[in-house]
Amino acid sequence: ILNVEQSPQSLHVQEGDSTNFTCSFPSSNFYALHWYRWETAKSPEALFVMTLNGDEKKKGRISATLNTKEGYSYLYIKGSQPEDSATYLCAFRNSGYSTLTFGKGTMLLVSP
Amino acid sequence: DGGITQSPKYLFRKEGQNVTLSCEQNLNHDAMYWYRQDPGQGLRLIYYSQIVNDFQKGDIAEGYSVSREKKESFPLTVTSAQKNPTAFYLCASDLGNQPQHFGDGTRLSIL
Repeated sequence: ILNVEQSPQSLHVQEGDSTNFTCSFPSSNFYALHWYRWETAKSPEALFVMTLNGDEKKKGRISATLNTKEGYSYLYIKGSQPEDSATYLCAFRNSGYSTLTFGKGTMLLVSP
Repeated sequence: DGGITQSPKYLFRKEGQNVTLSCEQNLNHDAMYWYRQDPGQGLRLIYYSQIVNDFQKGDIAEGYSVSREKKESFPLTVTSAQKNPTAFYLCASDLGNQPQHFGDGTRLSIL
């Protein structure tokens, strides 16, 4: 079983703070890294699918970077808002035929 | 709108009973997945199917069974052999290396 680690486990910030989380994955046999946002009482929704070393993707105030050689991805949220409160999941795939292995997630709470 | 529908939202199982969780998608996705979430754990893969009439065990398949008779449907049966079935179950689907789409989940509890 592949090991995908996310840190921190949870985070509480104030509105307007910028924050970032880490996803670590095996650095050998990389195929893709997914990021999902999972709000309470909703289904997880995809943020990014990253495939190339050095990839940087952005969606509004949220961005992600990827380092496949050292096996990590960062997710950044600029100027956090209460509606950003959710659990952020990363998931790793090591080949085109494999399934996703999920981390345990980082739970973000943004207070007004 | 296309999406994934899971039913029921809440399900209660008596001891020794099999229960079936429904998952239907109208996204025309080839692959479908069942995950289980327990408190403090990530999503763990139970079963997956990449094509109709074929499916494979995931990491925690014991005590579960599935079928994939139609592209749109991937029901999960929690059998009496699953000794700790209380959990939140998520169904997902995807096409190639595209992001997975998820249903709203079913919460299963023991009576």
